[in-house]
Amino acid sequence: EVQLVESGGGLVPPGGSLRLSCAASGFTLTGFEMNWVRQPPGKGLEWLSYISSSSTTIYYADSVKGRFTISRDNAKNLVYLQMNSLRAEDTAIYYCAREGVRGGDPFDYWGQGTLVTVSS
Amino acid sequence: DIQMTQSPSSLSASVGDRVTITCRASQSISIYLNWYHQKPGKAPKLLIYATSSLQSGVPSRFSASGSGTDFTLSISSLQPEDFATYYCQQSYGAPRTFGQGTKLEI
Repeated sequence: EVQLVESGGGLVPPGGSLRLSCAASGFTLTGFEMNWVRQPPGKGLEWLSYISSSSTTIYYADSVKGRFTISRDNAKNLVYLQMNSLRAEDTAIYYCAREGVRGGDPFDYWGQGTLVTVSS
Repeated sequence: DIQMTQSPSSLSASVGDRVTITCRASQSISIYLNWYHQKPGKAPKLLIYATSSLQSGVPSRFSASGSGTDFTLSISSLQPEDFATYYCQQSYGAPRTFGQGTKLEI
């Protein structure tokens, strides 16, 4: 069974840092591209970042560029999101999502999400 | 970036109704349009990919069509479990933008 499990969320003061992890199981991570998507309370989905299967291609949303860093460890079946200089508007549920390697593939599996709250 | 606009933002319907949600892209995205639904407190779930292909396990009362910039999702004979928020997403280019969502309510 394909599973994605996020962890690492919590309460952090403005300007602080957090590292989120996404543990993949039930499939070979090397065969898939991965994304992070967030959802502020009561609002819609915002795509944040993408990493290709071999980490050679990475994209970020303008809202997090320069503050967030995506990475992956295929040997450990883990995907990470390092979040620095956090702001109140970064408060959201953060999801990791799997994307196939064929061009145009959708996000076919999502984790359950981890809540990040940025507040003093 | 490609902007995705859904309409309506919310929709009231009853069990057994047929409903249609539309999604418009700011530029042509060929067939690379996906639909997800999300129930409160849960992660989004893929319903339809590449405009009209049903994800495994999705009931046949869901259907979708379109191409280029205009797309639709239809649900025939609404069931209680279909009341949720629906999002379209383009997978034509980066960033993989989402529509703002359509909340389907009883």
